[in-house]
Amino acid sequence: DGGITQSPKYLFRKEGQNVTLSCEQNLNHDAMYWYRQDPGQGLRLIYYSQIVNDFQKGDIAEGYSVSREKKESFPLTVTSAQKNPTAFYLCASSRRGEDYGYTFGSGTRLTVV
Amino acid sequence: QQQVKQSPQSLIVQKGGISIINCAYENTAFDYFPWYQQFPGKGPALLIAIRPDVSEKKEGRFTISFNKSAKQFSLHIMDSQPGDSATYFCAASISGNTPLVFGKGTRLSVIA
Repeated sequence: DGGITQSPKYLFRKEGQNVTLSCEQNLNHDAMYWYRQDPGQGLRLIYYSQIVNDFQKGDIAEGYSVSREKKESFPLTVTSAQKNPTAFYLCASSRRGEDYGYTFGSGTRLTVV
Repeated sequence: QQQVKQSPQSLIVQKGGISIINCAYENTAFDYFPWYQQFPGKGPALLIAIRPDVSEKKEGRFTISFNKSAKQFSLHIMDSQPGDSATYFCAASISGNTPLVFGKGTRLSVIA
């Protein structure tokens, strides 16, 4: 089955640590995205990538980093510079072009302890 | 600056009733308007989408109404069922060119 897989489902981080969230897709989609979801805030764009080896900052990129070395993979690193990292993180992918819908993963819930 | 404003924040509807969620946008260059449905602990799933060349699109019990002059679009859920209880997000983009911008979401509860 084609889809998008995020891991882990739950992640706990100590203050000052960097953590990396995994996102893998086998849909042959060119574009991939990371969104952050907080209660009452909707989905806010962190980073996105439309082709391999290229990515752009979204609205809330500070304290986060990404890489896109393979078409299938778009990992997100939450660095110690992110002041309030506790949130639900969603990865999505889509085809490029005129009409497209996003396929979302099931999310990773990150908690700072 | 919130590019897509969604209302209400929460909604309670009786089973069999009509659920209506509204969104307004600022950027007149937006030309793709999807709605997503999200259940707790899951990622959002595409429900229905519309482009500005039509004023209405219907898929089963779900209908999008689009008013280009008012820069508004809405989701209507006919014959609402308890299984429709979820959070709904509207979104907008310049298709093929920019990432989706999402509204803040509406938590729908359908009660028997």
